[in-house]
Amino acid sequence: EVQLLESGGGLVQPGGSLRLSCAASGFTFSNSAMRWVRQAPGKGLEWVSTISESGGSTYYADSVKGRFTISRDTSKNTLYLQVNSLRAEDTAIYYCTKASGYRFDYWGQGTLVTVSS
Amino acid sequence: QSALTQPRSVSGSPGQSVTISCTGTSSDVGGYNYVSWYQQHPGKAPKLMIYDVSKRPSGVPDRFSGSKSGNTASLTISGLQAEDEADYYCCSYAGSHTWVFGGGTKVTVL
Repeated sequence: EVQLLESGGGLVQPGGSLRLSCAASGFTFSNSAMRWVRQAPGKGLEWVSTISESGGSTYYADSVKGRFTISRDTSKNTLYLQVNSLRAEDTAIYYCTKASGYRFDYWGQGTLVTVSS
Repeated sequence: QSALTQPRSVSGSPGQSVTISCTGTSSDVGGYNYVSWYQQHPGKAPKLMIYDVSKRPSGVPDRFSGSKSGNTASLTISGLQAEDEADYYCCSYAGSHTWVFGGGTKVTVL
């Protein structure tokens, strides 16, 4: 059974940083691209970032480019999202997703990031 | 990248059919056959219901179906059931390794 367990969210001041983690199990992590998707409170979904199977290629939404960094550690079956220079509009639940083709086929339960002073 | 356009809400009685539209542009929905749909119950994570416009993952009931015409994709739920009440989001590949989601549609079972 595929399981994705996010952690690392919390309350942070504007301009602050966090590192989000996603522990993956139930599939061959090294064979799967991974993506982060976020959802602001009461709002819709927004694709944030993608990392390739090898970790050699990364992609970002314009809204986070230059501030967020996606990475992965295959030895730990863990996906990361380093979020820097946080703004109020980054407040959201951040979901880790397993990519398959052009779809997001499994989702974690999410971790909440709240940016507020 | 602008969000895809979905109706804010649709409703139907048990057993009826409802259709949710998802309108984009030739740069996303119209340009690729990579539209997917996600169901989200309150407080839960989204769940994949349809991918590549009309394919159903294993375990998704066949009352869920997808289609596309031009820049508009559609999700149809036939034989509406109480457990289908949820938010539904469309998503399209938009080129250059980017994706765009719709704003979401709340389905209410009357």
